[in-house]
Amino acid sequence: NAGVTQTPKFRVLKTGQSMTLLCAQDMNHEYMYWYRQDPGMGLRLIHYSVGEGTTAKGEVPDGYNVSRLKKQNFLLGLESAAPSQTSVYFCASSYRGPVNEQYFGPGTRLTVT
Amino acid sequence: RKEVEQDPGPFNVPEGATVAFNCTYSNSASQSFFWYRQDCRKEPKLLMSVYSSGNEDGRFTAQLNRASQYISLLIRDSKLSDSATYLCVVPDSGSARQLTFGSGTQLTVLP
Repeated sequence: NAGVTQTPKFRVLKTGQSMTLLCAQDMNHEYMYWYRQDPGMGLRLIHYSVGEGTTAKGEVPDGYNVSRLKKQNFLLGLESAAPSQTSVYFCASSYRGPVNEQYFGPGTRLTVT
Repeated sequence: RKEVEQDPGPFNVPEGATVAFNCTYSNSASQSFFWYRQDCRKEPKLLMSVYSSGNEDGRFTAQLNRASQYISLLIRDSKLSDSATYLCVVPDSGSARQLTFGSGTQLTVLP
């Protein structure tokens, strides 16, 4: 099992460009999450999904969109990147709700110039 | 008050030492708590879950004090490989479907 994988691992964008981050899990988990991690701050939840075809906003959703068309994939989109979105993005999945162990992907390091 | 607060450290301790971290939380309704470990430039991984008064796993002990709303992580006989950032995690007060992560406590175990 690959667990949770993320694509790409690194990316540099110019302000105003768009991109999509892909998260895939092969554990048949219902819940999937997108977090961002900035220096000195904890992981902050951007969006999450409780099952195929569902999405919900987390703590910091502005500037991001998500889709979960297939159970194993959770996509995070940046429509018009801003320097404030420079961060490390982690995807995670859990069997059911958040009280189950969350398995994280290796992260995507995004720099917006 | 922040949902989850942790002493950022860094804690620098010699090998073999015992070290403890505290974490305070604001959601008095929380029933479950977690400690995650994050190595430098890596993803977080679950270290321990705490559902009642505490939990012990080898050299690691997590204790919960509901009255004072804090949880602690005790590491005995520290190893070099214990060097990492330890994240305190509690359910979000606004949504049962979300977790709130503390900003982490950095531990370095010195030879």
